[in-house]
Formats: sequence, C-alpha cells, structure tokens
Amino acid sequence: GEDVEQSLFLSVREGDSSVINCTYTDSSSTYLYWYKQEPGAGLQLLTYIFSNMDMKQDQRLTVLLNKKDKHLSLRIADTQTGDSAIYFCAEMDGTGTALIFGKGTTLSVSS
Amino acid sequence: DAGVIQSPRHEVTEMGQEVTLRCKPISGHDYLFWYRQTMMRGLELLIYFNNNVPIDDSGMPEDRFSAKMPNASFSTLKIQPSEPRDSAVYFCASRHSTNEKLFFGSGTQLSVL
Repeated sequence: GEDVEQSLFLSVREGDSSVINCTYTDSSSTYLYWYKQEPGAGLQLLTYIFSNMDMKQDQRLTVLLNKKDKHLSLRIADTQTGDSAIYFCAEMDGTGTALIFGKGTTLSVSS
Repeated sequence: DAGVIQSPRHEVTEMGQEVTLRCKPISGHDYLFWYRQTMMRGLELLIYFNNNVPIDDSGMPEDRFSAKMPNASFSTLKIQPSEPRDSAVYFCASRHSTNEKLFFGSGTQLSVL
C-alpha cells in the first residue's frame, strides 16, 4: 500500500535555508503536497505539485520532485522563527481521492 | 467561507462514555474525510464520504467507531464506548472532486480518562 516517510526533526538557525525531505511509494500519485501544522492548530496547505512537474517555486518555498526516486523535498529560504512548526508530506492515494500523510517533520528555528 | 468547522475543540470524558465529534465541511465540497492524529501513528485516515455516502471505512479502528453524514453540511464521528487509547486529535477535512486541495478543520482534542 501507499507509504510516506520523512525524517522527524530538523533544526536550523534563523536566516538559513531549511530542506525537508520525503519519500513516497505510490508511483501513480498525481499530486504531492506539503502541509504545515502550528501548535494546537489544524493542517494548513502550504503548496503542492503535480506529478509531471519537477519543480515549483512559491515565494520562499521551493518544491523539488524526483519521480524516478519517489523523492520530494521542501526548501524554505531565509527561514524565520515563525516557520517553526510540523511539516507534513502527503501523496494522493491510488484512487485519486484521499491523502496519505507522513508522520511529519518538526522544524525548529533558533535565533 | 468560514472553512471546515469542527466542534467541540476539546473533549474530556471518562472511559466507557459515548463521544460525538461534529464537522461542517466547506460549502459545495462533495468529499469529507475524518483523520486521527497521534504521536505514535501520525495522521491516519479513518473514513471518507462522497456525496454523503461512506466510500471507504477501512481505517476505522473497530466497531466502537461509527461515522455518519446525514446531509451535505454535517458529519459526525461517534465513539461508543470510549477508551483511553482513543485519546487523540481528530480532524475533519473536505475538498471538491474537481479540486486537488484538501482543507482541514482545527481538530477536536479528545482525552479519555
């Protein structure tokens, strides 16, 4: 079945770039997503990429997709303390209906 | 639009009690999902509906869990009887079939003592 793996923790200094990595298993996934969860809040859609793309840029966010290796990454440029949160990678399931999530990467930004 | 609305935000109950979680999806969305979040298992899909009809409930942990969607603007997730291991954050999410974006509510933090 589908599975999404990501590292659990990442710690960076303010102003540095953060790169959060993710691997997924379903090669037929049409869309891949990054969500952000702040403490006590729901999941907020940050960005997503269609599977026929290899890169998408949205202000400070850059998503890279390596479909051959089933690897997705999220780069946050000029990381700020407000970026501290849990970041979830997700793939759309084989039916094209539900999202399957990784366990989340906790990003800690120190000043 | 107000987004996906869940109630209550927090629920504390005793083992054996019935718990009902509520969700109002975004107007016009025809898919509704219930997820559960725990430290150990992350975000698990419990069940989803399409046009108010349950499509896949394979993620529902056991018969103590049930979900309904009596109309397009309301869904409930019920646990009866509740157990301490049900303690988690339960999220409702919705999307439209023509749009790949999934929108989440703020969640219900459930504590079963």
